[in-house]
Amino acid sequence: GQNIDQPTEMTATEGAIVQINCTYQTSGFNGLFWYQQHAGEAPTFLSYNVLDGLEEKGRFSSFLSRSKGYSYLLLKELQMKDSASYLCAVMDSNYQLIWGAGTKLIIKP
Amino acid sequence: GAVVSQHPSWVICKSGTSVKIECRSLDFQATTMFWYRQFPKQSLMLMATSNEGSKATYEQGVEKDKFLINHASLTLSTLTVTSAHPEDSSFYICSARCHECQGSSYEQYFGPGTRLTVT
Repeated sequence: GQNIDQPTEMTATEGAIVQINCTYQTSGFNGLFWYQQHAGEAPTFLSYNVLDGLEEKGRFSSFLSRSKGYSYLLLKELQMKDSASYLCAVMDSNYQLIWGAGTKLIIKP
Repeated sequence: GAVVSQHPSWVICKSGTSVKIECRSLDFQATTMFWYRQFPKQSLMLMATSNEGSKATYEQGVEKDKFLINHASLTLSTLTVTSAHPEDSSFYICSARCHECQGSSYEQYFGPGTRLTVT
């Protein structure tokens, strides 16, 4: 079966760095997405990785290792507004998105 | 660019009635749109994939006669929840795939969601 695993909840301090991991087992791979979702709102796109390595975009970076079925989202200089759920999603061989359950990130002052 | 709107943003209806939710791509053509449902503290669950001009493809366990999807144009898809019941109360989110947008051609742009409450 297809499976996306990510921690349910994480807590970090304002100004610090946090890494949210995602492991996956899917039928085929056409890229991995990270989305941010604030409570009561729709997800917003953060990053897309299809090749191994690190993609940096401002305070956010995303890493992918296809051989390990592993990705992480790195958030630097955390701000209170970064409190949200972070969703990992993998596009399978049919170009369908398989979603993880999301990681709720709590930022403390 | 790549903005998706949904209407209404929230709706309360009585059990047994039908509710229509619209999803529009405002500045691009979306040949493929997706409908998701999200219950509190749970992840997104894909309900169906909607392709312009053809019948929607429903995920296993989703009743196609209850959740009617119409994708009549390249910028509009509608989801009608027929004979709604309290257990249909949820957050319904649509997304659209934009092939001509910058970035990944498989990236999905999400609408703001519609919160449905059935009393």
